[in-house]
Amino acid sequence: DAGVIQSPRHEVTEMGQEVTLRCKPISGHDYLFWYRQTMMRGLELLIYFNNNVPIDDSGMPEDRFSAKMPNASFSTLKIQPSEPRDSAVYFCASSRRTGFMNTEAFFGQGTRLTVV
Amino acid sequence: ILNVEQSPQSLHVQEGDSTNFTCSFPSSNFYALHWYRWETAKSPEALFVMTLNGDEKKKGRISATLNTKEGYSYLYIKGSQPEDSATYLCAFKTGANNLFFGTGTRLTVIP
Repeated sequence: DAGVIQSPRHEVTEMGQEVTLRCKPISGHDYLFWYRQTMMRGLELLIYFNNNVPIDDSGMPEDRFSAKMPNASFSTLKIQPSEPRDSAVYFCASSRRTGFMNTEAFFGQGTRLTVV
Repeated sequence: ILNVEQSPQSLHVQEGDSTNFTCSFPSSNFYALHWYRWETAKSPEALFVMTLNGDEKKKGRISATLNTKEGYSYLYIKGSQPEDSATYLCAFKTGANNLFFGTGTRLTVIP
């Protein structure tokens, strides 16, 4: 498997524009997590899905952020409108649960977002 | 959002020294504790997943222990090497399967 794939790797956009980040989890993984990495807070959990259903979005900073997972192989994180303080690296990770066994999360390479 | 704390924030050690750092997490609603190694410009990669109180895991020179009753885990590196330089993250998993990360311990091993 190619691992978790995120696109784009880098995104530079102007304030007010809509930004869409994409993630393809590892095939067979039923959990998908979106994280934001900042210097101040480290890796913040934004939202996670189980079997394509959003389970906990309490980490989403505000209504400008939304995430979808239309099928098991694709998820998006959208920011509309974007602001300079949204600049960060956004990571997607996936994992699976087999019975009562808990597996580690596998991370994508991240998308570095810069809002100017 | 749960509070997962790691200490120290950063650490410099000489090559060959052994070192350890701490992860503190809530002792309630515990499901698992993960340790990840994160090299600069790469993605975090899992080292250990621990679920039982008293668990000890080992991979080469790196080992970890877990105390779920008091809510802490230690990561140990024996005989540090320059290639061990990275940020070490712990993550707490609840029964609801959220995975919350600490801010990490940045280790620099000086040759």
